Amino acid sequence: AQSVTQLGSHVSVSEGALVLLRCNYSSSVPPYLFWYVQYPNQGLQLLLKYTTGATLVKGINGFEAEFKKSETSFHLTKPSAHMSDAAEYFCAVRSVTDKLIFGTGTRLQVFP
Amino acid sequence: GAGVSQSPSNKVTEKGKDVELRCDPISGHTALYWYRQSLGQGLEFLIYFQGNSAPDKSGLPSDRFSAERTGGSVSTLTIQRTQQEDSAVYLCASTQNIAPSGYGYTFGSGTRLTVV
Repeated sequence: AQSVTQLGSHVSVSEGALVLLRCNYSSSVPPYLFWYVQYPNQGLQLLLKYTTGATLVKGINGFEAEFKKSETSFHLTKPSAHMSDAAEYFCAVRSVTDKLIFGTGTRLQVFP
Repeated sequence: GAGVSQSPSNKVTEKGKDVELRCDPISGHTALYWYRQSLGQGLEFLIYFQGNSAPDKSGLPSDRFSAERTGGSVSTLTIQRTQQEDSAVYLCASTQNIAPSGYGYTFGSGTRLTVV
């Protein structure tokens, strides 16, 4: 079965600091992995995805994630946080029945 | 349309009443999904449609919940005899293909349901 674990329900960083949001997955098939961002009172927006090929994936707003099969991880990073990055971030894995299974989310706070 | 449209954006209803939530997916998207997001929770899968049929409705929490899709387009999620625990944001998403294409979903802005 597929599942996703996001370590840390809340992460706080200073503006300009490195952002690291952790995601570990479990999958019985080669995984398709996704990161979504949700701003207040909005739906979810796709940040980036990994399907096959290059394991370092670049997304919108300067975010990137690296697929590490040996660690079953797909952590999201950004070198320098902006105030506008404050939001909730969800990691997801595509199941064998093609629905997305989401983690419980990580709320990112950015302090000036 | 240009995006996934959900209506209403907010709904307050009295306990015991029925509610209907509507989702209008992106034109041409064959797959449509409903999720529920409760306060402090992740996204809980409810049901998905491929065309007008629902191959996976395993996430519907009780028989008070039902959904349909007509014309391969608009979907309606109906909750009968609403309870306070039904209060949540109901999110709809669509994607242009199934069968793992890796496209990811496009989400609507959700319907915030409050049962009082």
